[in-house]
Amino acid sequence: QSVLTQPPSVSGAPGQRVTISCTGSSSNIGAGYDVHWYQQLPGTAPKLLIYGNSNRPSGVPDRFSGSKSGTSASLAITGLQAEDEADYYCQSYDSSLSGPYVVFGGGTKLTVL
Amino acid sequence: EVQLVESGGGLVQPGGSLRLSCAASGFTFSSYWMSWVRQAPGKGLEWVANIKQDGSEKYYVDSVKGRFTISRDNAKNSLYLQMNSLRAEDTAVYYCARVDYDSSGYRFDYWGQGTLVTVSS
Repeated sequence: QSVLTQPPSVSGAPGQRVTISCTGSSSNIGAGYDVHWYQQLPGTAPKLLIYGNSNRPSGVPDRFSGSKSGTSASLAITGLQAEDEADYYCQSYDSSLSGPYVVFGGGTKLTVL
Repeated sequence: EVQLVESGGGLVQPGGSLRLSCAASGFTFSSYWMSWVRQAPGKGLEWVANIKQDGSEKYYVDSVKGRFTISRDNAKNSLYLQMNSLRAEDTAVYYCARVDYDSSGYRFDYWGQGTLVTVSS
C-alpha cells in the first residue's frame, strides 16, 4: 500500500490528452511538500520528468505538465505519442515519520491505444 | 555527463548478506545527498535509504532499519549499501540515485541502471 495513491492504469489514443492523479494527505502533499514525477520506459531506469510540482528538466517536451492543489497533484500529457507508453510515478516527502522520508505513488501504466 | 553505475547484485540465500556499490562520475560527488531506491519485480518504486554529503546523516525506510547500512567514500566517488539478514521480500532491482534538494523539493535527478538482488534458497 503506497503512501501516495495513483490510478493503476490510464490510456489514450495518439494525439489525445491524458491526466494521471496522485493523491496524498496532510502529512505529505497537503503539508506543502513538492511533488515530482518520473517516467519509466520498459526495461529502463526511471527518469525525472517533472520537479517542484510543475517544472520540466531540460530536454523534457512541453507536452508534459504538472500541477498541485491541496493534497493532490496531477501529471498531464498532451499530444499523446506512442513513445509515451510507460509507467509514471509521483514522489513527495512525508513528515509523519522520522527523518527525510521519501514516498512514491504506486505507479500508473500509460497505454497508447 | 553524470553517470551512476551499480554493481554487486546477485543471488543470495535468505539470511545472507550482500554489498552493493555505486560508482559516480561526471559531477562533484561530495556535494550531493545520495540514495538507494529499489523496485521489486513487477512492482513500484520504494525509497530505501539516504545519506548526507559528508555521511553524517543517514535515513532508512522502516523495513530495512537495523539490517541495511548506507555509506559513502567521497575520495572514491562511491556509494554503498550493506545488506544483512536478507529476506525474500528484499528481492528487487536496486537503483543508486542522486538527490537534488532545493526550494523545489527533494527529488532524484539522476539514476543508475540498477542491479538485481535475488533472495532465494
